Amino acid sequence: DQQVKQNSPSLSVQEGRISILNCDYTNSMFDYFLWYKKYPAEGPTFLISISSIKDKNEDGRFTVFLNKSAKHLSLHIVPSQPGDSAVYFCAASALSGTASKLTFGTGTRLQVTL
Amino acid sequence: EADIYQTPRYLVIGTGKKITLECSQTMGHDKMYWYQQDPGMELHLIHYSYGVNSTEKGDLSSESTVSRIRTEHFPLTLESARPSHTSQYLCASSELFGTLSGYTFGSGTRLTVV
Repeated sequence: DQQVKQNSPSLSVQEGRISILNCDYTNSMFDYFLWYKKYPAEGPTFLISISSIKDKNEDGRFTVFLNKSAKHLSLHIVPSQPGDSAVYFCAASALSGTASKLTFGTGTRLQVTL
Repeated sequence: EADIYQTPRYLVIGTGKKITLECSQTMGHDKMYWYQQDPGMELHLIHYSYGVNSTEKGDLSSESTVSRIRTEHFPLTLESARPSHTSQYLCASSELFGTLSGYTFGSGTRLTVV
């Protein structure tokens, strides 16, 4: 039972345009939602997060939106740069209890073209 | 500069061999984790630790074992490697299980069993 889902395996965006990566979840116990970026042959690096009590968090070019009623979150990258090309993982966890360890989606491979 | 170190980065080994994947962190984190990732798939939690002398199995069943004798060290062992163990193994650590700061990951070990 996959609790965190990223239905788009890949996305191609032109440099300078907006990249929108989507994520859906099923567990209503999740309190925290995070985005990680991963390059090949490296470990994931933390990008941005949001608490379930908020609907938006912004950090530079990166903004995460959370829609709790739809159990959906998205990551916006504006403007996209070639260095943003990587695999992006959505992750979620509860504050405590059995769902408190990070659960990851399958990732979306973003390619930013010139 | 990495705060969590995994060795080796790459390992090709024959079936039946015993292997130990090393993971060390310098952040003093109590919580440590091992995730397994196959290409195009999500990261699956296979082991985690609350602290010294405390280890638990994760969501994905694994034939590997772990130990936590020191806070900074969380090695993973496969007694008899098989081709089905071929995967990327990622070690991580954090102060808390559920946290907006996420987990800090090492660079991973890509294991190939031939």
